[in-house]
Amino acid sequence: ILNVEQSPQSLHVQEGDSTNFTCSFPSSNFYALHWYRWETAKSPEALFVMTLNGDEKKKGRISATLNTKEGYSYLYIKGSQPEDSATYLCAPSSNTGKLIFGQGTTLQVKP
Amino acid sequence: KAGVTQTPRYLIKTRGQQVTLSCSPISGHRSVSWYQQTPGQGLQFLFEYFSETQRNKGNFPGRFSGRQFSNSRSEMNVSTLELGDSALYLCASSLGWGETEAFFGQGTRLTVV
Repeated sequence: ILNVEQSPQSLHVQEGDSTNFTCSFPSSNFYALHWYRWETAKSPEALFVMTLNGDEKKKGRISATLNTKEGYSYLYIKGSQPEDSATYLCAPSSNTGKLIFGQGTTLQVKP
Repeated sequence: KAGVTQTPRYLIKTRGQQVTLSCSPISGHRSVSWYQQTPGQGLQFLFEYFSETQRNKGNFPGRFSGRQFSNSRSEMNVSTLELGDSALYLCASSLGWGETEAFFGQGTRLTVV
């Protein structure tokens, strides 16, 4: 699995704004797609793992969708809060769990 | 349930030396993966061990090696350190399959001078 691309690279929004990021990955040999949140001075934390085309996952104000045929996933944050400030990483995985991470989208939410 | 523990948290080594980093996974997890993050780079996959066997390997020179013990604890070794090896090294444990989430440790910050 090569060429995992995330956009935008960084994002600055106001508190209350909704936002979304994109993760593009090769659609061939797809097995699963992971999203992680990485806050400064902490460890990356898993948000979602998705495997099925058309899958949609939700956790509070954060949701994600997956299109395995065209090789992309969207992460949405509704009503951003300052505590959402972090780097969001996506990573397609092989069936053995090897993760190939994108460069991440760094989100800064201003109060 | 205890999380993933990495030791040491910080390390300063001299060019040419070798270093060993340790990772204790979550109890019951048989897979341990190692990643390197350098400034401006994303998380680069080093290798993954499952039940004491290296199952996956990233594109790193042979100076980087690892092993896993029968209790699933893993060590990563870097020999003949170079300045460019200065990085944050993260390990992650999981049940070992692509659809299961990985749990990351706090990382070891290695500085090579």
